[in-house]
Amino acid sequence: DVKVTQSSRYLVKRTGEKVFLECVQDMDHENMFWYRQDPGLGLRLIYFSYDVKMKEKGDIPEGYSVSREKKERFSLILESASTNQTSMYLCASSPLLAGEAGELFFGEGSRLTVL
Amino acid sequence: GQNIDQPTEMTATEGAIVQINCTYQTSGFNGLFWYQQHAGEAPTFLSYNVLDGLEEKGRFSSFLSRSKGYSYLLLKELQMKDSASYLCAVKDSNYQLIWGAGTKLIIKP
Repeated sequence: DVKVTQSSRYLVKRTGEKVFLECVQDMDHENMFWYRQDPGLGLRLIYFSYDVKMKEKGDIPEGYSVSREKKERFSLILESASTNQTSMYLCASSPLLAGEAGELFFGEGSRLTVL
Repeated sequence: GQNIDQPTEMTATEGAIVQINCTYQTSGFNGLFWYQQHAGEAPTFLSYNVLDGLEEKGRFSSFLSRSKGYSYLLLKELQMKDSASYLCAVKDSNYQLIWGAGTKLIIKP
């Protein structure tokens, strides 16, 4: 059974703290994505990666960075957390490149609260 | 700008049929997706349409009209477990996904 695992389901952090969100997939997918999901808004892409050590900015990269040192792991980093980064963060992976259907497989999500 | 519109919330009765609409305005089109997301869970893939017409998959069907920028998801023989949010997403000319805000479907006995 395919699986995308996010390290923490719930986190509470203070403003200014550095936050790491980890995501691991066991499907040997090339593509990995980080989204945030907020009420009343569609999923918004933060960063994505098509290969190890590769990263591309999405629609809302400000305040975030990512790391992909191994194919199966894609980490999202908040260098200095702020209250407006309180959100649900979803990691996803996909086996296909642009031009294909590209079904996404999502993790369960990490709900981050920044106080 | 790019935009995906779908109703915020819908209510239907167990055993009935419901149609969830999605209209889109995007720069280019390379396919439309429907995902299901139960509360507190990950979105899961339901369907993909890239050509006009109806795609049927069990109790769920998805329809696309590219000329009208319109899709719908049809759920038949509704069950309580179908209570979830349904997300519409379009792949634009750059093959990036544009997401709607989702439709929360409430099923009543």
